Amino acid sequence: AQSVAQPEDQVNVAEGNPLTVKCTYSVSGNPYLFWYVQYPNRGLQFLLKYITGDNLVKGSYGFEAEFNKSQTSFHLKKPSALVSDSALYFCAVGYSGGYQKVTFGTGTKLQVIP
Amino acid sequence: DSGVTQTPKHLITATGQRVTLRCSPRSGDLSVYWYQQSLDQGLQFLIQYYNGEERAKGNILERFSAQQFPDLHSELNLSSLELGDSALYFCASSAFGNEQFFGPGTRLTVL
Repeated sequence: AQSVAQPEDQVNVAEGNPLTVKCTYSVSGNPYLFWYVQYPNRGLQFLLKYITGDNLVKGSYGFEAEFNKSQTSFHLKKPSALVSDSALYFCAVGYSGGYQKVTFGTGTKLQVIP
Repeated sequence: DSGVTQTPKHLITATGQRVTLRCSPRSGDLSVYWYQQSLDQGLQFLIQYYNGEERAKGNILERFSAQQFPDLHSELNLSSLELGDSALYFCASSAFGNEQFFGPGTRLTVL
């Protein structure tokens, strides 16, 4: 079985400050890891993914995420938060051999304060 | 625009009724996923199809069913609707091993 945890329901950060949204996972086999963002009344949008290679993954809108195998984490980061980054963020995990079955976390609401 | 289309955008119906939600995946994507999103339950995976075959089932009620047709579009059928079925229903598609692309969703309101 695979699972993903987003321990924070909400993260508040001041505009211009660095932000981190946390995600930990559990999976058998090599993980496929994803981050998605959802703006109000919209579908989820893909931000970035890790399948193999460099542990630091760069994605859309200046976001990046670091894969840490020993800590089974895949935290989302951005050096300088924008008010427009305020949204709901979902982490998701799949695995090689899992035939595309992906499990989503419960989501973290990011609030960037002007 | 993700390339995934869903119809209708909004649906208002009464308890006990049956509705069908439709999804067209991105060109070339063989996998289709259905999700339900409500305020109290978050994003719930319902079911996945791959090239016409059911591949994975999540928290899908027996009153709900889905299928994927030879042209790869998919339909989600919801029957004997209850007030608690009011939610956003998303369809997503993907190519093997890759990220999912989500449609804009269908907002279902059951009165």
